[in-house]
Amino acid sequence: QVQLVQSGAEVKKPGASVKVSCEASGYTFTGYDINWVRQATGQGLEWMGWMNPSSGNTGYAQKFQGRLTITRNTSISTAYMELNSVTSEDTAVYYCARGRLCGGDCQLVDKDYYTMDVWGHGTTVTV
Amino acid sequence: SSELTQDPAVSVALGQTVRITCQGDSLRNYYATWYQQKPGQAPILVIYDKNSRPSGIPDRFSGSSSGSTASLTITGTQAEDEADYYCNSRDSSGKHLYVFGSGTKVTVL
Repeated sequence: QVQLVQSGAEVKKPGASVKVSCEASGYTFTGYDINWVRQATGQGLEWMGWMNPSSGNTGYAQKFQGRLTITRNTSISTAYMELNSVTSEDTAVYYCARGRLCGGDCQLVDKDYYTMDVWGHGTTVTV
Repeated sequence: SSELTQDPAVSVALGQTVRITCQGDSLRNYYATWYQQKPGQAPILVIYDKNSRPSGIPDRFSGSSSGSTASLTITGTQAEDEADYYCNSRDSSGKHLYVFGSGTKVTVL
């Protein structure tokens, strides 16, 4: 079945970096984006960024520009999220999610949309 | 602050209809997608495109859009629909960057 399996919980000191992995299975890894979304306790979802595993292209929310890096290893169908210079404000559950624009063909729709249809179980990062 | 605005909370009687709205300028040009999240669980996609549901999502969930407002409607709300609901769409840059709404907590009475 299609699934995303994330690495285990992390505990970091302020100023350190954290790297979380997301291993895809059950589908063609390079056929879909990988997004990273986080959620602090009791707070809403916060979109962080995406990567196209085929091209390596990335996009980051302005808030995380310069501090967030998303990479991948296509040979093992795994994406990585690395966040630098962490503070207590970065304590959250981090999710990876499979993404796709317009179901794969925006020519077929009147307005673009983006789906995140498969999610990892989440990785708790405590700073 | 989020570029997509949602009401923080709404309550609905069992079996009744509830509408959750999401407002933002980007919604004039892009559809919102909607996610349901229950405590301790990852979000689930419930509505995308104009009004499409992934397999396994009950047809009591529907979506609509008008101007800068997107809506998620639950018709005949069930107890298991009690959850947080988030909209998602492009941010105001228009680039391939996204933002979630602040979320709406749906309580079923």
